[in-house]
Amino acid sequence: DQQVKQNSPSLSVQEGRISILNCVYTNSMFDYFLWYKKYPAEGPTFLISISSIKDKNEDGRFTVFLNKSAKHLSLHIVPSQPGDSAVYFCAASPLAGGTSYGKLTFGQGTILTVHP
Amino acid sequence: DAGVIQSPRHEVTEMGQEVTLRCKPISGHDYLFWYRQTMMRGLELLIYFNNNVPIDDSGMPEDRFSAKMPNASFSTLKIQPSEPRDSAVYFCASHDRGFDTQYFGPGTRLTVL
Repeated sequence: DQQVKQNSPSLSVQEGRISILNCVYTNSMFDYFLWYKKYPAEGPTFLISISSIKDKNEDGRFTVFLNKSAKHLSLHIVPSQPGDSAVYFCAASPLAGGTSYGKLTFGQGTILTVHP
Repeated sequence: DAGVIQSPRHEVTEMGQEVTLRCKPISGHDYLFWYRQTMMRGLELLIYFNNNVPIDDSGMPEDRFSAKMPNASFSTLKIQPSEPRDSAVYFCASHDRGFDTQYFGPGTRLTVL
Protein backbone atom coordinates (compact mmCIF):
# COMPACT_ATOMS: atom_id res chain seq x y z
CA ASP A 1 0.00 0.00 0.00
CA GLN A 2 1.72 3.14 -1.27
CA GLN A 3 0.77 5.90 1.12
CA VAL A 4 2.79 8.47 -0.79
CA LYS A 5 2.70 8.47 -4.57
CA GLN A 6 4.47 10.34 -7.31
CA ASN A 7 2.53 9.43 -10.42
CA SER A 8 4.94 10.93 -12.93
CA PRO A 9 8.09 8.82 -13.26
CA SER A 10 9.79 11.54 -15.28
CA LEU A 11 9.54 15.19 -16.30
CA SER A 12 11.45 17.09 -18.95
CA VAL A 13 11.58 20.90 -19.09
CA GLN A 14 13.59 23.62 -20.81
CA GLU A 15 16.08 25.69 -18.91
CA GLY A 16 14.47 28.84 -17.53
CA ARG A 17 10.96 27.38 -17.47
CA ILE A 18 9.03 26.20 -14.44
CA SER A 19 9.26 22.61 -13.22
CA ILE A 20 6.28 21.29 -11.28
CA LEU A 21 6.57 18.00 -9.48
CA ASN A 22 3.52 16.47 -7.85
CA CYS A 23 2.87 14.11 -4.99
CA VAL A 24 -0.29 12.71 -3.41
CA TYR A 25 -0.76 10.96 -0.10
CA THR A 26 -3.47 8.89 1.50
CA ASN A 27 -2.65 8.86 5.20
CA SER A 28 -4.47 11.69 6.98
CA MET A 29 -2.07 11.33 9.92
CA PHE A 30 0.74 12.89 7.87
CA ASP A 31 1.49 16.39 9.08
CA TYR A 32 4.96 17.14 7.84
CA PHE A 33 6.13 16.94 4.25
CA LEU A 34 9.55 17.12 2.64
CA TRP A 35 11.21 17.08 -0.74
CA TYR A 36 14.56 15.44 -1.31
CA LYS A 37 16.82 15.63 -4.34
CA LYS A 38 19.05 12.78 -5.40
CA TYR A 39 21.94 12.77 -7.85
CA PRO A 40 23.31 9.49 -9.25
CA ALA A 41 25.64 7.61 -6.91
CA GLU A 42 24.74 9.90 -4.00
CA GLY A 43 22.27 9.74 -1.16
CA PRO A 44 19.14 11.92 -1.15
CA THR A 45 19.66 15.43 0.18
CA PHE A 46 17.03 17.56 1.86
CA LEU A 47 15.59 20.33 -0.28
CA ILE A 48 12.57 21.92 1.40
CA SER A 49 9.81 21.07 3.84
CA ILE A 50 6.37 22.22 4.94
CA SER A 51 4.20 21.52 7.94
CA SER A 52 0.47 21.09 7.73
CA ILE A 53 -0.23 24.45 9.34
CA LYS A 54 1.05 26.13 6.18
CA ASP A 55 0.02 25.89 2.57
CA LYS A 56 3.19 27.33 1.05
CA ASN A 57 6.88 27.52 1.81
CA GLU A 58 9.53 29.22 -0.30
CA ASP A 59 13.28 28.90 -0.40
CA GLY A 60 14.89 30.71 -3.27
CA ARG A 61 13.89 29.09 -6.54
CA PHE A 62 12.02 26.33 -4.74
CA THR A 63 8.44 26.55 -3.47
CA VAL A 64 6.40 23.77 -1.94
CA PHE A 65 2.62 23.92 -1.92
CA LEU A 66 0.38 21.83 0.29
CA ASN A 67 -3.34 21.23 -0.26
CA LYS A 68 -4.44 19.22 2.75
CA SER A 69 -8.03 18.77 1.64
CA ALA A 70 -6.84 17.23 -1.62
CA LYS A 71 -3.90 15.47 0.07
CA HIS A 72 -1.69 16.94 -2.59
CA LEU A 73 1.84 18.29 -2.44
CA SER A 74 3.78 20.00 -5.20
CA LEU A 75 7.26 21.38 -5.73
CA HIS A 76 7.80 24.32 -8.07
CA ILE A 77 11.25 25.17 -9.37
CA VAL A 78 11.53 28.57 -11.05
CA PRO A 79 13.58 29.10 -13.10
CA SER A 80 14.74 25.58 -13.80
CA GLN A 81 18.48 25.04 -14.37
CA PRO A 82 20.36 22.10 -15.89
CA GLY A 83 21.94 21.45 -12.47
CA ASP A 84 18.46 20.72 -11.14
CA SER A 85 18.39 17.51 -13.19
CA ALA A 86 18.05 14.78 -10.58
CA VAL A 87 15.53 12.43 -9.00
CA TYR A 88 13.11 14.18 -6.67
CA PHE A 89 11.41 12.34 -3.82
CA CYS A 90 8.55 13.62 -1.76
CA ALA A 91 8.22 12.29 1.78
CA ALA A 92 5.69 12.54 4.58
CA SER A 93 5.65 11.97 8.30
CA PRO A 94 3.30 12.22 11.24
CA LEU A 95 4.31 14.86 13.76
CA ALA A 96 6.33 14.02 16.83
CA GLY A 97 4.99 11.42 19.13
CA GLY A 98 4.94 7.72 19.69
CA THR A 99 6.90 5.26 17.66
CA SER A 100 6.25 7.09 14.41
CA TYR A 101 8.51 9.96 15.39
CA GLY A 102 10.86 10.82 12.58
CA LYS A 103 9.59 8.05 10.35
CA LEU A 104 9.38 9.19 6.74
CA THR A 105 7.35 7.55 4.00
CA PHE A 106 8.74 8.28 0.55
CA GLY A 107 7.22 8.36 -2.89
CA GLN A 108 8.78 6.47 -5.79
CA GLY A 109 10.57 9.51 -7.16
CA THR A 110 10.36 11.63 -10.31
CA ILE A 111 13.30 12.01 -12.67
CA LEU A 112 13.62 15.66 -13.66
CA THR A 113 15.64 16.54 -16.74
CA VAL A 114 16.28 20.20 -17.48
CA HIS A 115 17.50 20.78 -21.04
CA PRO A 116 19.81 23.71 -21.81
CA ASP B 1 31.48 16.45 10.12
CA ALA B 2 32.05 13.71 7.54
CA GLY B 3 28.36 12.98 7.19
CA VAL B 4 26.82 9.52 7.25
CA ILE B 5 29.37 6.92 6.17
CA GLN B 6 28.42 3.65 4.52
CA SER B 7 30.53 0.71 3.47
CA PRO B 8 31.04 -0.93 1.13
CA ARG B 9 29.86 1.36 -1.67
CA HIS B 10 29.40 -1.58 -3.99
CA GLU B 11 28.87 -5.23 -3.21
CA VAL B 12 28.53 -8.07 -5.69
CA THR B 13 27.79 -11.49 -4.29
CA GLU B 14 26.31 -14.78 -5.27
CA MET B 15 22.92 -16.05 -4.25
CA GLY B 16 23.02 -17.76 -0.89
CA GLN B 17 25.92 -15.77 0.48
CA GLU B 18 25.74 -13.61 3.58
CA VAL B 19 25.95 -9.86 3.04
CA THR B 20 26.74 -7.26 5.71
CA LEU B 21 26.26 -3.56 5.10
CA ARG B 22 27.73 -1.02 7.50
CA CYS B 23 26.79 2.47 8.59
CA LYS B 24 28.32 5.17 10.76
CA PRO B 25 25.78 7.91 11.57
CA ILE B 26 26.57 11.56 12.15
CA SER B 27 27.97 12.06 15.62
CA GLY B 28 25.30 13.16 18.08
CA HIS B 29 22.39 11.92 16.02
CA ASP B 30 20.22 9.55 18.02
CA TYR B 31 18.03 8.21 15.22
CA LEU B 32 19.31 5.84 12.56
CA PHE B 33 17.34 4.56 9.58
CA TRP B 34 17.93 1.86 6.96
CA TYR B 35 16.24 2.24 3.57
CA ARG B 36 16.17 0.25 0.36
CA GLN B 37 15.73 1.85 -3.04
CA THR B 38 14.37 -0.05 -6.03
CA MET B 39 12.90 1.11 -9.32
CA MET B 40 9.53 -0.40 -8.55
CA ARG B 41 9.04 0.73 -4.97
CA GLY B 42 11.26 3.77 -4.62
CA LEU B 43 12.68 4.39 -1.14
CA GLU B 44 11.36 1.98 1.47
CA LEU B 45 12.07 2.25 5.18
CA LEU B 46 13.32 -1.09 6.47
CA ILE B 47 14.03 -0.38 10.13
CA TYR B 48 14.91 2.48 12.42
CA PHE B 49 16.65 2.86 15.75
CA ASN B 50 16.43 5.43 18.52
CA ASN B 51 19.32 5.54 20.98
CA ASN B 52 20.53 2.20 19.59
CA VAL B 53 17.19 0.50 20.23
CA PRO B 54 15.14 -0.82 17.27
CA ILE B 55 11.84 1.05 17.24
CA ASP B 56 10.12 -0.12 14.09
CA ASP B 57 11.20 -3.05 11.94
CA SER B 58 7.92 -3.49 10.12
CA GLY B 59 9.60 -2.72 6.80
CA MET B 60 12.08 -5.57 7.02
CA PRO B 61 10.95 -7.80 4.17
CA GLU B 62 11.82 -11.23 5.54
CA ASP B 63 13.58 -13.03 8.34
CA ARG B 64 16.62 -13.16 6.10
CA PHE B 65 17.13 -9.48 6.95
CA SER B 66 18.44 -8.39 10.32
CA ALA B 67 19.85 -5.14 11.68
CA LYS B 68 21.84 -4.24 14.75
CA MET B 69 23.13 -1.10 16.38
CA PRO B 70 25.65 -2.13 19.04
CA ASN B 71 26.59 1.47 19.83
CA ALA B 72 25.77 5.04 18.86
CA SER B 73 28.34 5.17 16.07
CA PHE B 74 27.78 1.90 14.22
CA SER B 75 25.01 -0.13 12.66
CA THR B 76 24.85 -3.16 10.40
CA LEU B 77 22.25 -4.57 8.05
CA LYS B 78 22.71 -8.25 7.31
CA ILE B 79 21.08 -10.41 4.66
CA GLN B 80 21.49 -14.14 5.07
CA PRO B 81 21.06 -15.87 2.69
CA SER B 82 20.98 -13.29 -0.06
CA GLU B 83 18.76 -13.64 -3.14
CA PRO B 84 18.80 -11.90 -6.53
CA ARG B 85 15.65 -9.94 -5.62
CA ASP B 86 17.60 -8.28 -2.81
CA SER B 87 19.59 -6.38 -5.43
CA ALA B 88 19.03 -2.70 -4.70
CA VAL B 89 20.68 0.38 -3.27
CA TYR B 90 20.63 0.42 0.51
CA PHE B 91 20.80 3.75 2.31
CA CYS B 92 21.49 4.60 5.89
CA ALA B 93 20.28 7.93 7.31
CA SER B 94 20.45 9.67 10.68
CA HIS B 95 18.96 12.66 12.43
CA ASP B 96 18.89 14.13 15.90
CA ARG B 97 15.92 14.82 18.09
CA GLY B 98 13.72 17.66 17.04
CA PHE B 99 11.78 17.67 13.86
CA ASP B 100 14.66 17.92 11.48
CA THR B 101 15.50 16.38 8.19
CA GLN B 102 17.26 13.07 7.83
CA TYR B 103 20.79 13.01 6.48
CA PHE B 104 21.53 10.18 4.09
CA GLY B 105 24.71 8.31 3.39
CA PRO B 106 25.90 7.67 -0.19
CA GLY B 107 24.36 4.20 -0.26
CA THR B 108 25.57 0.67 -0.92
CA ARG B 109 24.71 -0.78 -4.31
CA LEU B 110 24.11 -4.49 -3.78
CA THR B 111 24.03 -6.94 -6.66
CA VAL B 112 23.16 -10.55 -5.95
CA LEU B 113 23.89 -12.86 -8.86
